Formats: sequence, structure tokens, C-alpha cells
Amino acid sequence: SAVISQKPSRDICQRGTSLTIQCQVDSQVTMMFWYRQQPGQSLTLIATANQGSEATYESGFVIDKFPISRPNLTFSTLTVSNMSPEDSSIYLCSVLSDGSYEQYFGPGTRLTVT
Amino acid sequence: QKEVEQDPGPLSVPEGAIVSLNCTYSNSAFQYFMWYRQYSRKGPELLMYTYSSGNKEDGRFTAQVDKSSKYISLFIRDSQPSDSATYLCASRARVGGSYIPTFGRGTSLIVHP
Repeated sequence: SAVISQKPSRDICQRGTSLTIQCQVDSQVTMMFWYRQQPGQSLTLIATANQGSEATYESGFVIDKFPISRPNLTFSTLTVSNMSPEDSSIYLCSVLSDGSYEQYFGPGTRLTVT
Repeated sequence: QKEVEQDPGPLSVPEGAIVSLNCTYSNSAFQYFMWYRQYSRKGPELLMYTYSSGNKEDGRFTAQVDKSSKYISLFIRDSQPSDSATYLCASRARVGGSYIPTFGRGTSLIVHP
């Protein structure tokens, strides 16, 4: 299994500002994902971030709004830019284990935009 | 129609009951099936991971996949209040090596003492 930590665990931000969420994994993994989860809703994939290549964004998500960095095999960041109240959500980092292809999630970052 | 359908519940059962959680999927290419448990204000935790049809047991948990009917089940025996959580099913196919799963909405389970 993989142990994933995220920072911050929660934040309250003002409209128009940006927040960078950090994701750290205790082992090297090729594939990392960023998800968003609205209350009572399922997981929505924002983008896939593989080390050494540009992030691949899902429909409805763009790099200018959600820039992602993946500098090495154990770390990634997601920035939520120019935030609006609609960005209030839980943001989850996830990794795919290179050996078993099992997918693991971090504890999430609870973001509230006022 | 969503690719993975799951009744959101809530499902309320007494302690000790056998719980049955179910999902249906529509994509015949799905080969891998997962169940996650998510406690309030926590990230999803992988419970079961199965390939193709059949049963897989782990302690009080049994995952069952019927590919002919596209039906996924998770059974919890001797349910405990600590099992109270949201359970998400997920399925995926290997499409171009992406391994990206599709998640259900999750079923909220409440086990009362």
C-alpha cells in the first residue's frame, strides 16, 4: 500500500486568491491523480499527473485554473487559481501503485472559498 | 446512464446484521472492481480489489462480481458501528494503459448499536 499525506488539511480562502495543495507519497509512483469531491457526491477526476510529462486534464478542467506540478515520483502540487465559492470542495490526491495497480487516496484538503 | 450506478442510501442496520451493498455498471470492458470505505472528513480507503468475476473474502468483507449481469456487491458480516461510513464502488478497464476507474456515488451505511 501507499501512504499519502496532503497539506493543508483544510483552508478558508477569499474569492480571487489561489491555493496550492501539496501531496507527498511514501513510495515512488508513476501515476498520480487529483480528484474533487463535492458533499454527497462521487469523485470527479481533475487530472492525471505523471512524472516527466504534462498533466492530462479531464473535460471541464483547464491548466490555467488548476495548474499541476509533478517534479518527482513522490510529490505533486495542485493549485486552485482565482478561486470562487464554486471551488469549495474536498480535493484529493491519489496514486496508482506501480506494482499492483491498486489506487490509494490521501486524506483530502477541505477548501472553503468565501 | 452513468457507467457505475450506486444507491446513495442511507442504509441503516442494527449491529450484527449482514450488510449488502450493491452497484451496477454498464461498460462491458470493465475488468477490475474496487470497493472503498470513506469515513466522514477522510479520504477513501481501499477495501477490496478484484479482477473479473467471482468472490473475494477478507475477514468480515466479501466482494462479489457477476460480469454476466454487470453487478458488483460487497457483503459485510457481523456489522459493527465502526463500519458506519460511505462505501464507494469503482470499476475500470485497461484503456490504453490509463487505469483510470469510474466511481459510483457511494452508499452511506449507518450501523446502530
